[in-house]
Amino acid sequence: GQQLNQSPQSMFIQEGEDVSMNCTSSSIFNTWLWYKQDPGEGPVLLIALYKAGELTSNGRLTAQFGITRKDSFLNISASIPSDVGIYFCAGAASTGANSKLTFGKGITLSVRP
Amino acid sequence: DTGVSQNPRHKITKRGQNVTFRCDPISEHNRLYWYRQTLGQGPEFLTYFQNEAQLEKSRLLSDRFSAERPKGSFSTLEIQRTEQGDSAMYLCASSQISNQPQHFGDGTRLSIL
Repeated sequence: GQQLNQSPQSMFIQEGEDVSMNCTSSSIFNTWLWYKQDPGEGPVLLIALYKAGELTSNGRLTAQFGITRKDSFLNISASIPSDVGIYFCAGAASTGANSKLTFGKGITLSVRP
Repeated sequence: DTGVSQNPRHKITKRGQNVTFRCDPISEHNRLYWYRQTLGQGPEFLTYFQNEAQLEKSRLLSDRFSAERPKGSFSTLEIQRTEQGDSAMYLCASSQISNQPQHFGDGTRLSIL
C-alpha cells in the first residue's frame, strides 16, 4: 500500500535553533498535512497544503507542498521547549483533505533548553 | 467550541471480550473517520462516514470490527472477541464535506490482557 517516509526517527536540537523535516512518497498525493502529537493525545493539525508548490506559514512553522506532489517539508524556526513532540506528515491521494489520510511514522523532536 | 470527543479514554479488557468506543465529532462536521495507531507508528485509516453512510472500509477492519453512525452525528466502533493484536489507540477525526482538513480527538487507548 501507499507509504509516507519520514526520517530520521528522532531529532535533537538546541532551543532557538531551526529544524527542517521532510516527508517523501513513492506515490502522488493531492493534499499534504502536518500534524503534531503529544503523549496521550490525538494529533493536532499544524498546516494543510492543497496545491503543488504551495508554501504556507503558521507562526514559526512553514511547510511546502513539493512540485512533484511526492514530498513535503516542514520547517520550525527558533524552536522552543513546547515544540517537543512527534511530527507526522499525512497525505490524501484522493479528492482532498477530507478523504482518507496516509500517515508517516513520525519524527520525535527533542529540544534542549 | 468543542473539539472531537472520544469515550472512554482508556479501556482495559480481557481477551475475548467485546468493547465499544464512542466518538462525538465537531458539530456540523459531516464526515467522521476512525483510525488505529500502534506504538511508534502513525495512525492507520480504518473507515469513514459521510453523514450516516459508511463510504469506505480498510482491509484492516476485520469482520470482528463494526462501526456505525446511525443518525449522522456520533459514531461507535465495536470490536468483538478482542485479541491481543487489537491493543492500540483508536482515534476518531471529523471534517466538513468540503476540502477541509480532519481534526482528531484524543483517542481511546485499548489494552487487552
